[in-house]
Amino acid sequence: NAGVTQTPKFQVLKTGQSMTLQCAQDMNHEYMSWYRQDPGMGLRLIHYSVGAGITDQGEVPNGYNVSRSTTEDFPLRLLSAAPSQTSVYFCASSYSGHNYGYTFGSGTRLTVV
Amino acid sequence: AQKVTQAQTEISVVEKEDVTLDCVYETRDTTYYLFWYKQPPSGELVFLIRRNSFDEQNEISGRYSWNFQKSTSSFNFTITASQVVDSAVYFCALSEASGTYKYIFGTGTRLKVLA
Repeated sequence: NAGVTQTPKFQVLKTGQSMTLQCAQDMNHEYMSWYRQDPGMGLRLIHYSVGAGITDQGEVPNGYNVSRSTTEDFPLRLLSAAPSQTSVYFCASSYSGHNYGYTFGSGTRLTVV
Repeated sequence: AQKVTQAQTEISVVEKEDVTLDCVYETRDTTYYLFWYKQPPSGELVFLIRRNSFDEQNEISGRYSWNFQKSTSSFNFTITASQVVDSAVYFCALSEASGTYKYIFGTGTRLKVLA
């Protein structure tokens, strides 16, 4: 079992570029989320999904898009990168949602210059 | 609105000391869930424990124990006889059973265990 796989692990973008952070899980979890981690601010929820075809916004959704066409995959798209999006991004999945513990991916460290 | 406060930004202890990490939460729901996660220097986040609001029993797992007190809205985490491998950032989190499937994290407490 690979668990939750995130790619890439590191990325440098120029302001205005777009990119997609990939997230895949092989545990047949319905619930998946994207968080960003910034110093002193803990983890903040960007978007989440309760199943294929269903997504919703979290605390800090601006500048990001998601889609969930399959149970396994939950990519996060940065539409036009800004320096404020420099952060560490974590994808997480859960067997049955927000009332269960999450399995996290290893993170993507993104720098926008 | 839900909120999690971890007032201790950083704690340093000497190996074998006991240490308690504080977590205070706010919620209007009567049904909610509390969690602790560990983030070691390698960066991954590891789930440690889940507790629901109807279960106020304390839990012990090896050197780890958790004290859940609804009266003070706290869910504190104690490490007994700390070890260098316990050095990490620890996050407390809260989710409410109603509505929005959102999971809110505290800002974390960095624990440094010195040899």
